[in-house]
Amino acid sequence: QKEVEQNSGPLSVPEGAIASLNCTYSDRGSQSFFWYRQYSGKSPELIMSIYSNGDKEDGRFTAQLNKASQYVSLLIRDSQPSDSATYLCAFKKYSSASKIIFGSGTRLSIRP
Amino acid sequence: DAGVIQSPRHEVTEMGQEVTLRCKPISGHDYLFWYRQTMMRGLELLIYFNNNVPIDDSGMPEDRFSAKMPNASFSTLKIQPSEPRDSAVYFCASSPSSGTGRTEAFFGQGTRLTVV
Repeated sequence: QKEVEQNSGPLSVPEGAIASLNCTYSDRGSQSFFWYRQYSGKSPELIMSIYSNGDKEDGRFTAQLNKASQYVSLLIRDSQPSDSATYLCAFKKYSSASKIIFGSGTRLSIRP
Repeated sequence: DAGVIQSPRHEVTEMGQEVTLRCKPISGHDYLFWYRQTMMRGLELLIYFNNNVPIDDSGMPEDRFSAKMPNASFSTLKIQPSEPRDSAVYFCASSPSSGTGRTEAFFGQGTRLTVV
């Protein structure tokens, strides 16, 4: 079993709609979770972090964490063409507090 | 702050040659990570350091790969000899320490390595 599972996509969403990205992880002791965005040819950049169960909102982005089900999701409201990118989820393993493991990413395409 | 600085940005080398990638972390960050990204395998953690000491190198693919961090502001990843399957984008990232573990990794711009 992979440590982090993401649907590779591509996920195509019409402009203005909600994009929903999901990620599952295997380490139950994981404590910190992150969503990174990576444009083609660029490096990953952090867009959201979440540490507690529930929702965390930042502008058009909402991260959701469910530790019991071992999944984390990212919702993007009012999707814009500039949101077209690959989204990587990542987590810190509890057993090695600063080791950050990434999923393979979901490619999101916002169509006009 | 200038962020994480990697060099070179692009490297093309012949199979069998030695390749050295360089990284300068963000000042004050005491964790440094080396990742490799390919289409097939995604973003893989190769090795990470804490206060210049290698903590986990279980992701290093083979003995051909080695990494060093001689001081807090410099790290190298060396491949010797290089092979075509080493072609990838190599990212360096750094992170500050935190008692809660609530700190993310900041990435450099990456080095695109092509081995022909």
